[in-house]
Amino acid sequence: EAGVAQSPRYKIIEKRQSVAFWCNPISGHATLYWYQQILGQGPKLLIQFQNNGVVDDSQLPKDRFSAERLKGVDSTLKIQPAKLEDSAVYLCASSSIREETQYFGPGTRLLVL
Amino acid sequence: AQTVTQSQPEMSVQEAETVTLSCTYDTSESNYYLFWYKQPPSRQMILVIRQEAYKQQNATENRFSVNFQKAAKSFSLKISDSQLGDTAMYFCAFMNSGAGSYQLTFGKGTKLSVIP
Repeated sequence: EAGVAQSPRYKIIEKRQSVAFWCNPISGHATLYWYQQILGQGPKLLIQFQNNGVVDDSQLPKDRFSAERLKGVDSTLKIQPAKLEDSAVYLCASSSIREETQYFGPGTRLLVL
Repeated sequence: AQTVTQSQPEMSVQEAETVTLSCTYDTSESNYYLFWYKQPPSRQMILVIRQEAYKQQNATENRFSVNFQKAAKSFSLKISDSQLGDTAMYFCAFMNSGAGSYQLTFGKGTKLSVIP
């Protein structure tokens, strides 16, 4: 089966610009996660969706980050305006309702200059 | 809040040898899952092994096995017969199975290098 797809793989922007990342989960997976992985650290959850509803966004900086999963399948994460400290890898993961294991995509590496 | 600690930032092992990566965690929960994920330089995070806290038997997956000590809150990963392809960052992660949010809490990772 196809894995979690993410695009773009790399993005370079200047601070105060906006950027968007796209994720398509494994077919049939109801739960979708966005993680932020800063260099030298483990991933940190930003937001979790179940179908098209938000389950947990307690660690999402809502003044600049937004995410949506309108049709309960693919998802978009947006940053506006970007700051230097947003430079990181953004990982998307998905899981089925009946399984706890999360499957990760290849990630999008963001560099903010 | 749960915390996960990996005290070995870097480790190396000779090819075909055995290496053990350490992980400790802190939680007040009784039902949870523990995971080891591998992240090769290409950045795709791959599940290595998982353990349910209610199971006393240690999980094994081919050359990978864990030593789960619930009372000590310890969850180490043993890699036997190390191969060059095992070179990667290894992350230990915790998931509280009782809450509605199945978020993973990760440690900072251990960089493993397998030397030919």
